Amino acid sequence: YVLTQPPSESVAPGQTARITCGGNNIGRSKSVHWYQQKPGQAPVLVVYDDSDRPSGIPERFSGSNSGNTATLTISRVEAGDEADYYCQVWDGGSVLFGGGTKLTVL
Amino acid sequence: EVQLVESGGGLIQPGGSLRLSCAASGFTVNSKYMTWVRQAPGKGLEWVSVISGSGDTYYADSVKGRFTISRDNSKNTLYLQMRSLRAEDTAVYYCASSTSGSFAYWGQGTLVTVSS
Repeated sequence: YVLTQPPSESVAPGQTARITCGGNNIGRSKSVHWYQQKPGQAPVLVVYDDSDRPSGIPERFSGSNSGNTATLTISRVEAGDEADYYCQVWDGGSVLFGGGTKLTVL
Repeated sequence: EVQLVESGGGLIQPGGSLRLSCAASGFTVNSKYMTWVRQAPGKGLEWVSVISGSGDTYYADSVKGRFTISRDNSKNTLYLQMRSLRAEDTAVYYCASSTSGSFAYWGQGTLVTVSS
């Protein structure tokens, strides 16, 4: 199973960023989790089980999963959202990460 | 408060061995799936290995046969024994704990450099 993410996305402050994670029938077969990683820091879980948010994560972060694509949506983007974002699923006993998307806030 | 603290990284020659530790607090390591994830310099996250609460273990193909994940419940610590190290194993190694499939808690990482 392979997860495909675009290497980069860019968005202006205040706009909406959408980061995709493609996989074969991912919407019907996988629960998708999303992580944010800033330089020199450990990853932080921002969305789990497709669309749930851990405590402390702003409501601006949301997720969806349908068909062959899962999407992390960041509304009202702020400069502090600039980071790498990774999707993650389980495939049997193995853990899979997408290649990561670098979000640039213009 | 949940905390994970890795240790054991360093500079090691190709072909050498190293054991990483991940000391947990705030929960017991045998109650959750625990995983090791690595990140080579400038690269993305790469899953390495996972151990379930019941002790089942799984490995990425790139480390199978060379790395061994284990835990010591009395010390509440997760380990990664790494053997036959290669230059391509150079990375920051993170341990993380799973809650219903996602990894909510991560350590700060420990750097392993394989070089002569």
